Amino acid sequence: EAGVTQSPTHLIKTRGQQATLRCSPISGHTSVYWYQQALGLGLQFLLWYDEGEERNRGNFPPRFSGRQFPNYSSELNVNALELEDSALYLCASSLAVGTGLDSPLHFGNGTRLTVT
Amino acid sequence: SQKIEQNSEALNIQEGKTATLTCNYTNYSPAYLQWYRQDPGRGPVFLLLIRENEKEKRKERLKVTFDTTLKQSLFHITASQPADSATYLCALVGDSNYQLIWGAGTKLIIKP
Repeated sequence: EAGVTQSPTHLIKTRGQQATLRCSPISGHTSVYWYQQALGLGLQFLLWYDEGEERNRGNFPPRFSGRQFPNYSSELNVNALELEDSALYLCASSLAVGTGLDSPLHFGNGTRLTVT
Repeated sequence: SQKIEQNSEALNIQEGKTATLTCNYTNYSPAYLQWYRQDPGRGPVFLLLIRENEKEKRKERLKVTFDTTLKQSLFHITASQPADSATYLCALVGDSNYQLIWGAGTKLIIKP
């Protein structure tokens, strides 16, 4: 079974630009999560999508946004990039929440975003 | 507020010994707790899940315990190998919306 795939693997942008990151979940998974992991720090929850709807978002400004498409793939957009947005952005997928709260997350290997 | 704490300093273990990692939490009663492994520059990989009514769970050389009275989970790797060197993360479901709350992780180094 193909795992969670993210693209691009690396992205270099300058301050003020916009970045778009993409994620394809494991087949059959309808929930997609986005996390930010700054160098040496823990996972910070960004967004959760399920069945095309945004279910929850973390403590990030509105310039972090996203969407989930009918095929359950997802996109994270970061507008007006700031230097501190430089981090590894991880996408994870899981079975629908209704199938059980104990469904583990399956992560991709992330997009390394560097803002200069 | 809800908090998860893991050993902040790296844990150095001699190859062949048992490595024990700690995950403590406060202000919550999770129904279950998960452990993940993360290698540098890669996404976390799910290892084990333990439910509140389970005291212990095993998978090959891995063992997880869950003490809801102490609000603590212990993660053991027996007969440790250099390939076990990684950062290990614990996570539990938060209060609302089924969100996982993550610990900062413990870096484990197995020396040959």
